[in-house]
Amino acid sequence: EPEVTQTPSHQVTQMGQEVILRCVPISNHLYFYWYRQILGQKVEFLVSFYNNEISEKSEIFDDQFSVERPDGSNFTLKIRSTKLEDSAMYFCASRGTGALNGYTFGSGTRLTVV
Amino acid sequence: DAKTTQPTSMDCAEGRAANLPCNHSTISGNEYVYWYRQIHSQGPQYIIHGLKNNETNEMASLIITEDRKSSTLILPHATLRDTAVYYCIVRVNNGNNRLAFGKGNQVVVIP
Repeated sequence: EPEVTQTPSHQVTQMGQEVILRCVPISNHLYFYWYRQILGQKVEFLVSFYNNEISEKSEIFDDQFSVERPDGSNFTLKIRSTKLEDSAMYFCASRGTGALNGYTFGSGTRLTVV
Repeated sequence: DAKTTQPTSMDCAEGRAANLPCNHSTISGNEYVYWYRQIHSQGPQYIIHGLKNNETNEMASLIITEDRKSSTLILPHATLRDTAVYYCIVRVNNGNNRLAFGKGNQVVVIP
């Protein structure tokens, strides 16, 4: 069964450093998403991406965050200057077109900012 | 997206059917009911979705009331691996639309 692949599975970074989280969505999917989940809290929407541009973003997705699809297969989330409160699980998801398609989520990257 | 109401938690007996309720009294005509689950610290997993008719797949059945104000997810033979947080989400079936996760229903399958 097709999967969404995320790397790395765990990233530890110093506060103020830049991090890039990587995702390989399912190959024929057209809609891409990033979500995050702070420990013990709800899964929160960050951003959706379609046709090589951001289609929607939440209030969490401020200027510190950016997304890119650099080569037609990878989908990346960059955090420019990490803060302690950015520590969370980050999930990538993709979705195909059509009413029968649900979202497929990756297994996540656990980001720890120290 | 319409709001949903689920129990905070429930226990189910292993091997028995698990019936997970969800209320969505403000659902609009073009909103679908989606169910996802999240097994501890893993990414959410799609289970099933429907608009009006009952739906069944290899994982579960979805029963939607005629007025569409509530639904029930049925896991026909619950196993220990079905222990997870289950999310009932209603949304327009538009590819761009976000999934808005609530707190979900923590389901524990008991041996």
